[in-house]
Amino acid sequence: QVQLVQSGAEVKKPGASVKVSCKASGYTFTSHDMHWVRQAPGQGLAWMGRIDPRGGSTTYAQQFQGRVTMTRDTSTSTVYMELTSLKSEDTAVYYCAAGRLDHWGQGTLVTVSS
Amino acid sequence: DIQMTQSPSSLSASVGDRVTITCRASQGISNYLAWFQQKPGKAPKSLISVASSLQNGVPSRFSGSGSGTDFTLTISSLQPDDFATYYCLQYSTSPITFGQGTRLGIK
Repeated sequence: QVQLVQSGAEVKKPGASVKVSCKASGYTFTSHDMHWVRQAPGQGLAWMGRIDPRGGSTTYAQQFQGRVTMTRDTSTSTVYMELTSLKSEDTAVYYCAAGRLDHWGQGTLVTVSS
Repeated sequence: DIQMTQSPSSLSASVGDRVTITCRASQGISNYLAWFQQKPGKAPKSLISVASSLQNGVPSRFSGSGSGTDFTLTISSLQPDDFATYYCLQYSTSPITFGQGTRLGIK
């Protein structure tokens, strides 16, 4: 069955960067886009962008442009999401989701605090 | 960007009730609409894709309909496990956008 396993919780200081991983299994890694979605505490879901694991092409939401980078490693079926210049408002749970967001990772809590 | 407006933002209902949640897109999205259920502290779970196609394993009391700009999620007979927050999502046009969510609580 499809499984997406994300890396563990992170605590970062303002201005730092964070890199979250998402390891896929149970399907052909290159056959489906991978999306990243975040959810601030008590808030709704916000799409950050997606990566095509075949060629590595990416599309980012305007609000994250310039701060987010999504990459993939086909040898390990893993995608990465790096967010730079962190602010307290970036404190959230970050999810990866495959395909038409049919399958989701368990989420990674990123806390930004001085 | 396409705006997705869900209504109501919250509602209270009882076990056995029929519940309908609506989602309106700010422009036509054909049937590129999905519905998700989220429980506190958990990842969202996909219920329905392409507006009306039930995901594997999702109970048949859930159904989706609509096309263009207006969509509905219906739960035919609420069960205790259904109390959660529900989101719609459009994937017709980038950026993908979510509705603001509908919190379904126990009356």
